[in-house]
Amino acid sequence: NAGVTQTPKFQVLKTGQSMTLQCAQDMNHEYMSWYRQDPGMGLRLIHYSVGAGITDQGEVPNGYNVSRSTTEDFPLRLLSAAPSQTSVYFCASREVDQRNTIYFGEGSWLTVV
Amino acid sequence: AQTVTQSQPEMSVQEAETVTLSCTYDTSENNYYLFWYKQPPSRQMILVIRQEAYKQQNATENRFSVNFQKAAKSFSLKISDSQLGDTAMYFCAFMKPPGAGSYQLTFGKGTKLSVIP
Repeated sequence: NAGVTQTPKFQVLKTGQSMTLQCAQDMNHEYMSWYRQDPGMGLRLIHYSVGAGITDQGEVPNGYNVSRSTTEDFPLRLLSAAPSQTSVYFCASREVDQRNTIYFGEGSWLTVV
Repeated sequence: AQTVTQSQPEMSVQEAETVTLSCTYDTSENNYYLFWYKQPPSRQMILVIRQEAYKQQNATENRFSVNFQKAAKSFSLKISDSQLGDTAMYFCAFMKPPGAGSYQLTFGKGTKLSVIP
C-alpha cells in the first residue's frame, strides 16, 4: 500500500525554469491538495481538487498550476520558478468519512537559485 | 477565516517527564476537527491525535492526550513519559467538516520540542 507518492524528493531549479511536481495516490481518494511549508511556518494550501476535472485555488496559488485528469494523479506545475518558491511541498489526499483522515506524501524539497 | 495560534515557538523537556504544548484557534464554526501533527527532521507529517468538536471527551492515543476546551477555543497536547523520539516540530491544525467548504487544514506555526536525555 503506497499511500501518497511524491516525485521528485529534491530538485534545484534556476529562476525562470518550469517544472512539475508529481503526486499519486492509490487509495481512491477524491480530495487531493498541495501545500507548501516555509521556514517558521505551518503548511499553507496552494491548490486543491475535489475530484477528477475539478480544481480550485487555496491560500497561496500564484505561480502554480494544477490539473486533475484522473482520481490518482494531481501534478503541481511551477510556470516560471522564482526564488520565493523555494520551499518544501507536500501533497495530501483525504478520506471523506467520519474520521476525515488526511494522508501526506513525504515532501518535495525545491530550491530555486 | 480560521486562525490557529501556537504561542510556544520552542520547548524542551527531560526524558520521561511530561510536557504540554498549547494551541488556540479562532472560528465561528460549531462543528470542526482539530489535529496535532508531528514533523521529525525527515519532514514527514505524522498524525499524532485528532479531536472532533462535537465530542466532549478528550482524545487520547497512548502517551498523547489533549485538553480540548471548546468554549475557550483551546486545544493543548500533553505528552507523557517523553521519549527521545518525540523530538520534533509539532503543528496544531484545524479543519471544517465535509460540506462546509472544508478542503484544507489550517496550521499553526509550530512548536519545536526537544527531549533532553
